[in-house]
Amino acid sequence: DTGVSQNPRHKITKRGQNVTFRCDPISEHNRLYWYRQTLGQGPEFLTYFQNEAQLEKSRLLSDRFSAERPKGSFSTLEIQRTEQGDSAMYLCASSFVRAGFHPPQETQYFGPGTRLLVL
Amino acid sequence: GQNIDQPTEMTATEGAIVQINCTYQTSGFNGLFWYQQHAGEAPTFLSYNVLDGLEEKGRFSSFLSRSKGYSYLLLKELQMKDSASYLCAVRGGNFNKFYFGSGTKLNVKP
Repeated sequence: DTGVSQNPRHKITKRGQNVTFRCDPISEHNRLYWYRQTLGQGPEFLTYFQNEAQLEKSRLLSDRFSAERPKGSFSTLEIQRTEQGDSAMYLCASSFVRAGFHPPQETQYFGPGTRLLVL
Repeated sequence: GQNIDQPTEMTATEGAIVQINCTYQTSGFNGLFWYQQHAGEAPTFLSYNVLDGLEEKGRFSSFLSRSKGYSYLLLKELQMKDSASYLCAVRGGNFNKFYFGSGTKLNVKP
């Protein structure tokens, strides 16, 4: 399977605990995105990487959220001191952006997501 | 800021044609995307428009009018498996981020 993979697929945790999710993008993709989705809503942007550089982080994201992509391949999203409001589906998407094109040609491909439930 | 509007829910009959509209307001528009999302699953890419006009891909077509900030997704010969949410997404703003609408839940009935 050469698609985007995410682990774990489901996570149940108690309020106040830390959780970490992993995303493995499509191998040749240079961009990686994290989104959060709640029921009846579209994906909400959290942060994204171009290779290993984190280019932007949503202002909606508190300091409890951090993401890394240390070698420009897989990425992790950590939530510290989880709250019940963090319960959601966390989606990862990857894309390949080809330099020199304007507008940049880019299509995102999503992983299956990690469903988080904070009790 | 970015604003994307699409109907919350639609119902159509198997074999029919349905059009799902999307209107948007964004700065620095760089493309409009349609995704299909079945309940509990991740979105899957359907179509991409960056220039005005119609893009056809099998039973699915997508239209874009940049001057009107308007797009639609047209689904022909509806099948029961087309029951899903359809997400309109716009790339734009700073850093060319993707902004998603809340999705249109399509119910296909026999």
